[in-house]
Amino acid sequence: NAGVTQTPKFQVLKTGQSMTLQCAQDMNHEYMSWYRQDPGMGLRLIHYSVGAGITDQGEVPNGYNVSRSTTEDFPLRLLSAAPSQTSVYFCASTLKGYQETQYFGPGTRLLVL
Amino acid sequence: AQSVTQPDIHITVSEGASLELRCNYSYGATPYLFWYVQSPGQGLQLLLKYFSGDTLVQGIKGFEAEFKRSQSSFNLRKPSVHWSDAAEYFCAVGAHFGNEKLTFGTGTRLTIIP
Repeated sequence: NAGVTQTPKFQVLKTGQSMTLQCAQDMNHEYMSWYRQDPGMGLRLIHYSVGAGITDQGEVPNGYNVSRSTTEDFPLRLLSAAPSQTSVYFCASTLKGYQETQYFGPGTRLLVL
Repeated sequence: AQSVTQPDIHITVSEGASLELRCNYSYGATPYLFWYVQSPGQGLQLLLKYFSGDTLVQGIKGFEAEFKRSQSSFNLRKPSVHWSDAAEYFCAVGAHFGNEKLTFGTGTRLTIIP
């Protein structure tokens, strides 16, 4: 099993550009989530999904969209990048819910100029 | 809503010394509690978790944590640290019902000196 994979590892965007951060897991996990990590702020939940076709907002959803068309994939879309979205983004998955062990991807480092 | 506080931003410990990282939570009932570790440039890895029962929880890599309801705390301990324990440690809290979300603390960076 590859576990949780994220692409790209690093990305530089200009303000106003759009992009999609990819996340995939091969463990047949139902629950997937996106976090952003900023210095001094820990991890903050952006969006999460409890199964294919079901998504919900986390703590900091503004400026981000998600969809969950398959169990395996949970892409995060930045519609119009802003410097405030410069961060490290982590995708995570668990079998049923966050109460179980979350498996984290290696992260995507995003710089918005 | 739940919240978690890690009061120590950075801790430095000598190799072989004992370690205690503090975590305080706020939640109206018994919460789910977790400790995760993040090595430089890596994602997070679960060290241990508490749901109910025995308040002293054993985890991987020789770590343990104790749930103290009266103090709303879930401190992480290790009797003797190794250089490989240098990392950032995150405490997290979740609700037992509804609210399908984990709330993370801001983290404690651990430095090990020889």
